Amino acid sequence: EVQLLESGGGLVQSGGSLRLSCAASGFTFSNYAMSWVRQAPGKGLEWVSGISGSGGNTYHADSVKGRFTISRDNSKNTLYLQMNSLRAEDTAVYYCAKSAAYSYAYYMDVWGKGTTVTVSS
Amino acid sequence: QSVLTQPPSASGTPGQRVTISCSGSSSNIGSNTVNWYQQLPGTAPKLLIYSNNQRPSGVPDRFSGSKSGTSASLAISGLRSEDEADYYCAAWDDSLSGPWVFGGGTKLTVL
Repeated sequence: EVQLLESGGGLVQSGGSLRLSCAASGFTFSNYAMSWVRQAPGKGLEWVSGISGSGGNTYHADSVKGRFTISRDNSKNTLYLQMNSLRAEDTAVYYCAKSAAYSYAYYMDVWGKGTTVTVSS
Repeated sequence: QSVLTQPPSASGTPGQRVTISCSGSSSNIGSNTVNWYQQLPGTAPKLLIYSNNQRPSGVPDRFSGSKSGTSASLAISGLRSEDEADYYCAAWDDSLSGPWVFGGGTKLTVL
């Protein structure tokens, strides 16, 4: 069974940093692109970052560019999101999502349960 | 303001058929396929429809999707109480606003 388990969320002050992790199991991790998608309280979904299966291609939304960095360790089947210079508007549940193929241009077919990030001002 | 436009709410009674619309532009729905996600209260999104009209294994055939031009629709027939959830459309966007864009979500209430 494909499973994604996020961790690393918490309460942080504005300007601080957090590193989210997503442990993957049940599939050949390196064969699939991965993404981070967030959902602010009471709001809709926002795609934050994506990374190809090899890690060679990455994308970050304008809202987080220069502050967030997506990466992966295929030897550990783990996806990461390093979040720096956090702002109140980054407060959200962050979901890890698997793409249906090697590129993050493919739809996201499996999602984790999410981890909550709260940025206090 | 979401790139894809959905009605904020929809409703129906058990057994009815309801549809949820999703409107985009030539850079997203007009040139790429549409996916739909179901988010039950307090849970993570779940893939409901991919590539406009394909159902993942385990999704009942009561759920169907379609696309025409720069718009797409999700139809739910034989409405059940357990269908009460938020529904989101998503598409790849070829412009700088992308790449993945979502609708604002539609809250479906089963009366």
